Amino acid sequence: GAVVSQHPSWVICKSGTSVKIECRSLDFQATTMFWYRQFPKQSLMLMATSNEGSKATYEQGVEKDKFLINHASLTLSTLTVTSAHPEDSSFYICSAASPGIEQYFGPGTRLTVT
Amino acid sequence: GENVEQHPSTLSVQEGDSAVIKCTYSDSASNYFPWYKQELGKRPQLIIDIRSNVGEKKDQRIAVTLNKTAKHFSLHITETQPEDSAVYFCAASFTGNQFYFGTGTSLTVIP
Repeated sequence: GAVVSQHPSWVICKSGTSVKIECRSLDFQATTMFWYRQFPKQSLMLMATSNEGSKATYEQGVEKDKFLINHASLTLSTLTVTSAHPEDSSFYICSAASPGIEQYFGPGTRLTVT
Repeated sequence: GENVEQHPSTLSVQEGDSAVIKCTYSDSASNYFPWYKQELGKRPQLIIDIRSNVGEKKDQRIAVTLNKTAKHFSLHITETQPEDSAVYFCAASFTGNQFYFGTGTSLTVIP
């Protein structure tokens, strides 16, 4: 299967700071990347869908000014959590897809805001 | 938007028995239904999927059925093994654009 990486795998930051998470498709060109949030023992909640070269589409209830998504190339999408607060602490997972290629998930990033 | 419900939330079976997990969806436009297995601390992995033009699909011990009229689909695992223990998620999508996940089923296979 295709390989999707995420960096960092875990990060601890202070309240009020911003954190950037990178999602890379290593062996295929991803026209679409998805960002999810997963709380402990809960399901994956779709936050936004990003297509290369265009603005991300955010799900209802997700603050676009707080969760900045950039999909600058066919292999890289970034999620920036701005002015992070403790309630933003969560497991963030990206996935990458292309027409005819199933969705492949990254390993996730554990964010802890102190 | 799409709303996917999944039952049961937890399921325990004896090794060798079958396990069935059921999902319903709300948007009749959804036409792709994947199932994912997530082991503790790991990423979700696709185990089987079905498209709306097919009623059933099987891959060794795993099968998925789809009832478009009733808008529900099910995962069937036969001859369960301890390594099948994990959290299983169903999802619904329209042509691979936006995936909406069920709430997950924690499956425990008792040796």
